[in-house]
Formats: sequence, C-alpha cells, structure tokens
Amino acid sequence: QVTLKESGPVLVKPTETLTLTCTVSGFSLSNARMGVSWIRQPPGKALEWLAHIFSNDEKSYSTSLKSRLTISKDTSKSQVVLTMTNMDPVDTATYYCARDKVVTPYVFDYWGQGTLVTVSS
Amino acid sequence: EIVLTQSPGTLSLSPGERATLSCRASQSVSSSYLAWYQQKPGQAPRLLIYGASSRATGIPDRFSGSGSGTDFTLTISRLEPEDFAVYYCQQYGSSPTFGQGTKVEIK
Repeated sequence: QVTLKESGPVLVKPTETLTLTCTVSGFSLSNARMGVSWIRQPPGKALEWLAHIFSNDEKSYSTSLKSRLTISKDTSKSQVVLTMTNMDPVDTATYYCARDKVVTPYVFDYWGQGTLVTVSS
Repeated sequence: EIVLTQSPGTLSLSPGERATLSCRASQSVSSSYLAWYQQKPGQAPRLLIYGASSRATGIPDRFSGSGSGTDFTLTISRLEPEDFAVYYCQQYGSSPTFGQGTKVEIK
C-alpha cells in the first residue's frame, strides 16, 4: 500500500525558512521508476507545482520559486525534504507531496494528505 | 510557462446529467501531456485522466478525456452524487502547471 505523509511546522514567521518532510511507504525512493514532487495550494485557490526529485537524484524546480527552494531525499529514511527560504504570508498554503512514475513523469498517482502551513508574525 | 485556463468556473448540474469541462492551454501541450484531477473539500487531489484520454487505475468509465494541442475536455457522462467536486487540469509537457479549477456543484 503506497502512502505519503507530510510533516513540518504549522506556523512560521515571515523571513523564516520552512522545512517540510515527506515520509513515504509502499515504494522505495531508490526505485528507478519513481519520483516525488511537492505541490502547494493556498486556501481556496489552485494547485501550484514546486519541485521534483527523481530516483537518480535529478531535481527540477518551479521557475518562479527556484531561488527559494531546495529538494533532497534520504533513501534510508524514505523521506523527501523541501526547504523554502524567506517565507512570506502569501506562502500560506496546504503543502502536498505526491508520487509519479518515470513512464508518466509529473503525473501524480498518489498524494499525501497535505499539511497546512500558515505564515504570520 | 504554459498557462491553463479552465471553463466554466462553476458548473451547476443535477445528478444524472452530463458534465463537460474545458481546459485551454496558452501554447500547444506536447504529446498530449495533459491530466485531470478531482478534489473534494479537505482532501488531496485524485488522478482521473492522464495522456489526455487514459483513465487512471480504478476510475469509472463515466469519466473520459479528449483533446490535443491547446484544447482539452473532461466529460462525465452521468453525474453521480460523489462526482460533485472541483476538477483541475494539469499539463506536464514542460514544467508542470495546473488550471484554476472548475467546480461542479449540485443544481
């Protein structure tokens, strides 16, 4: 059974750095056919793709947020970590991690439940 | 960046009716790399369609996708009560982007 679960702070202050962890089970991050993305959704708004990491450690980022994002993985812990610097109230959103497969890259077949992050002083 | 525009913003229909949702891209989506997701309140999105017309595992055949280039359509042939939700299109031919969503509500 494939599951993904996001964890991290509920509240961050403006200018702080956000660190989110996605813990996966039911598949391995070393599996050459799998990848994981982070996607966010401000309250009542649309989805926005942020970053992706492949099993070979190749990474890709949203052009508009690239300077603020870092994605990494710890295969032994089955975790994918996203850091976002210089947080702002407009970054308030539910942050999801989601899985895709090499045969259909960026098609997200499994999603975590999401974690709401509020940016406020 | 490819911008996806979905229409209408809200679709008010009754159970049993046919729903037709549109997704238009600002430039051609390569190889029909277009997906559709369903999202219910408080839940994560659920993959329905990928490759413009391929149903994901476990998706009922009342859901169908079509289109190519810049114009894509999601059709729900007969709305079931559980189909009332928000639907998003997503292109993945280049850096992934999502549309703004279409809400299908009960009339």
